[in-house]
Amino acid sequence: AQSVTQLGSHVSVSEGALVLLRCNYSSSVPPYLFWYVQYPNQGLQLLLKYTSAATLVKGINGFEAEFKKSETSFHLTKPSAHMSDAAEYFCAVSPYSGGGADGLTFGKGTHLIIQP
Amino acid sequence: ETGVTQSPTHLIKTRGQQVTLRCSSQSGHNTVSWYQQALGQGPQFIFQYYREEENGRGNFPPRFSGLQFPNYSSELNVNALELDDSALYLCASSLKRAGGDETQYFGPGTRLLVL
Repeated sequence: AQSVTQLGSHVSVSEGALVLLRCNYSSSVPPYLFWYVQYPNQGLQLLLKYTSAATLVKGINGFEAEFKKSETSFHLTKPSAHMSDAAEYFCAVSPYSGGGADGLTFGKGTHLIIQP
Repeated sequence: ETGVTQSPTHLIKTRGQQVTLRCSSQSGHNTVSWYQQALGQGPQFIFQYYREEENGRGNFPPRFSGLQFPNYSSELNVNALELDDSALYLCASSLKRAGGDETQYFGPGTRLLVL
């Protein structure tokens, strides 16, 4: 069974500050891990995906995430926040690269607020 | 833009009615997955279709059913609607192939309100 915990339902940072969104996972097998972003009234956009090729994964829009097996974490970071980063962010886990028969298991999401 | 389209964008139904939601997958994709996203929650997996067959199912009752067509587009049908079925329904398409990486790309969703 898979599960995801996203710490902090809301995170507020100043424009230009570091963004850190936390994700811890539970998986009985080596996981695939994902970060998706959802802008208001839109679907989900893939930011990045961990496939075991490298522990530091670079995504779109300047985001990156580091897989730490010992901490069962996959935190999302961005060095300098931009107003356009304000959105809902979801971490997801799966035993298969494409979700497979069990689909992707999502966390409850973190709402990122950017202060001017 | 992912190339995944869904229709309609919004829908209002009454409790007990039936609804059909539609999804057109991204060109070249052969797999469609459906998710339910309640307000303030993360998406929950409903089921996945691969080559017109159900390939897996989440914890949803049988009144949630689906179809995949030869062109890989898909429908989600919900019978006997309940108030708790009010949610954003997301479709995701992907290319499933032996030994290949597979990534789900999501459509914009259909927002269903059950009164």
